[in-house]
Amino acid sequence: QKEVEQDPGPLSVPEGAIVSLNCTYSNSAFQYFMWYRQYSRKGPELLMYTYSSGNKEDGRFTAQVDKSSKYISLFIRDSQPSDSATYLCAMIRPGGSQGNLIFGKGTKLSVKP
Amino acid sequence: EADIYQTPRYLVIGTGKKITLECSQTMGHDKMYWYQQDPGMELHLIHYSYGVNSTEKGDLSSESTVSRIRTEHFPLTLESARPSHTSQYLCASARQGATTNTGELFFGEGSRLTVL
Repeated sequence: QKEVEQDPGPLSVPEGAIVSLNCTYSNSAFQYFMWYRQYSRKGPELLMYTYSSGNKEDGRFTAQVDKSSKYISLFIRDSQPSDSATYLCAMIRPGGSQGNLIFGKGTKLSVKP
Repeated sequence: EADIYQTPRYLVIGTGKKITLECSQTMGHDKMYWYQQDPGMELHLIHYSYGVNSTEKGDLSSESTVSRIRTEHFPLTLESARPSHTSQYLCASARQGATTNTGELFFGEGSRLTVL
């Protein structure tokens, strides 16, 4: 069983839609959860990070962590064509330090005008 | 905007050649990393460094080697390239002294290697 599972999509939505992206994980010791965004032919960039359970909001983006279900989500409200990218969830490896991340495969999102 | 640069962006090379992928950052970060990314697959850590003269192997076994002689520079070398080395290689760096584990890495744009 992989430590992090993420549906690769692709996911296509109309502009203005609410997008829900998800990952599941198997290691209950994970405490730090990140979402990275990767545009085509670019490196990933950090979008949001969350510690432990709960919600975190930043503009149109909301990150949720449910540790009891080992499930994390990223919601995008009022999606825009500029949100078209691959979204990768990531977690810090227990016992590791910043930078030693476990990534999901990424979900490719396309927002159509 | 992150100041981390990778060269070459694209490289097509024959089997058996020696290659070096360059990575430089101007942010003064002590921590630097190399990740490997195949299409549709997860990023995997192959090498990391916590400072000058510090290098460690990552989770994914790799035949590549790295060096860290200067803070800003973290090159990756393949002594004898093979088709199985075809992949995208992403270099990243991280701030030192962070009081929380934000997991924030600053990535370069990647070096896409094709070995024929």
